Amino acid sequence: GAVVSQHPSRVICKSGTSVKIECRSLDFQATTMFWYRQFPKQSLMLMATSNEGSKATYEQGVEKDKFLINHASLTLSTLTVTSAHPEDSSFYICSARDLRTLFPHGYGYTFGSGTRLTVV
Amino acid sequence: AQSVTQPDIHITVSEGASLELRCNYSYGATPYLFWYVQSPGQGLQLLLKYFSGDTLVQGIKGFEAEFKRSQSSFNLRKPSVHWSDAAEYFCAVVGPMTTDSWGKLQFGAGTQVVVTP
Repeated sequence: GAVVSQHPSRVICKSGTSVKIECRSLDFQATTMFWYRQFPKQSLMLMATSNEGSKATYEQGVEKDKFLINHASLTLSTLTVTSAHPEDSSFYICSARDLRTLFPHGYGYTFGSGTRLTVV
Repeated sequence: AQSVTQPDIHITVSEGASLELRCNYSYGATPYLFWYVQSPGQGLQLLLKYFSGDTLVQGIKGFEAEFKRSQSSFNLRKPSVHWSDAAEYFCAVVGPMTTDSWGKLQFGAGTQVVVTP
């Protein structure tokens, strides 16, 4: 089945530094990847959609300069939290859309295991 | 506005009892519907999905869901819960291809399921 690997699973960084989170599709090509943010005991909020080889599309209210997304290959998307601050502490989850999966429009969304970011 | 609603934030159920989680959507057309489960500190696992056809969908782990167009609902059920079913459950929708929300998963608020002995 489709597997998405997300690293690191946990990261603690100092305020003002940058952190990169990787999301890899291991056995399929993901032309589209999605990045979500989840606060404790809350739902997932879509931050941005990244398509391989093009600029990411950010949801309203998401700072594109703070959350840099790169989708340089069909199997790798990265989210970089720049100049992180404590309010950026959250659980970040990526999802890759697998066009091979079940009908009728390839709506297979496979999720990574998430990254717990703590900014101190 | 397009939305997906899970009315129950928290449900407690005894092991062996049946479980039903509610999900309602508000879209101009029938969206594509999903149920996911999330264990603490983990990503999401797909339980089942509905695109078209038979309105009763079978999923993994003994779950099923029924799509009811007249009620704009996609409720998740399990006849007999196990302690391992304790988790957060999310209903999600993707808008039809003809809508602006096509391709983007929109999640409900989630329902926390607690299983008691």
